[in-house]
Amino acid sequence: DAGITQSPRHKVTETGTPVTLRCHQTENHRYMYWYRQDPGHGLRLIHYSYGVKDTDKGEVSDGYSVSRSKTEDFLLTLESATSSQTSVYFCAISVFPKSHGYTFGSGTRLTVV
Amino acid sequence: AQTVTQSQPEMSVQEAETVTLSCTYDTSESDYYLFWYKQPPSRQMILVIRQEAYKQQNATENRFSVNFQKAAKSFSLKISDSQLGDAAMYFCAYRSAGRGRTGANSKLTFGKGITLSVRP
Repeated sequence: DAGITQSPRHKVTETGTPVTLRCHQTENHRYMYWYRQDPGHGLRLIHYSYGVKDTDKGEVSDGYSVSRSKTEDFLLTLESATSSQTSVYFCAISVFPKSHGYTFGSGTRLTVV
Repeated sequence: AQTVTQSQPEMSVQEAETVTLSCTYDTSESDYYLFWYKQPPSRQMILVIRQEAYKQQNATENRFSVNFQKAAKSFSLKISDSQLGDAAMYFCAYRSAGRGRTGANSKLTFGKGITLSVRP
């Protein structure tokens, strides 16, 4: 399996503070994604990247920004955390061939208090 | 936009029995991929099985098989000889087979998931 790691695994933060989650891959895959998972909603796409400095919004992008300055790293930033952003966040990479779907990181549980 | 619907939030099965998890989707495309992912309590997302829309034959992986009905836009997962380790949340997902530089067609769209419990 492609190496993909997320950090941190757990985080508690206060409302109004900025938070950055990191996703790191070791196999030079072009496409990377950030999803959030909430009960009753499944996984919803926040942002994705199709190359270095190439990113686009997903369906729930408000309040989030991303950056990809290197192929291997995809950062998700909550600019000013709110309680509605309490969630489990997953990073994923698209593996080849496309029919094989994604490989996911182990997720970050973020709690905003 | 594509949508994926899993209408049953929870299901339960007796160990060693068979269970079927339902999934329907909506799309105007003719070529796409469908997936079932398993998420055990560890939170890890694990690919269970995949189906390519242009293939008429239903995919199978050991005890897991799908019933793919393209015209009905239905993609159900059958788990045979259920085991305690099958207890998890299961997600159905859709992906376009289309190409494009930006990767807009590479996104996975998920259903809301179904929690499967296995009774010993």
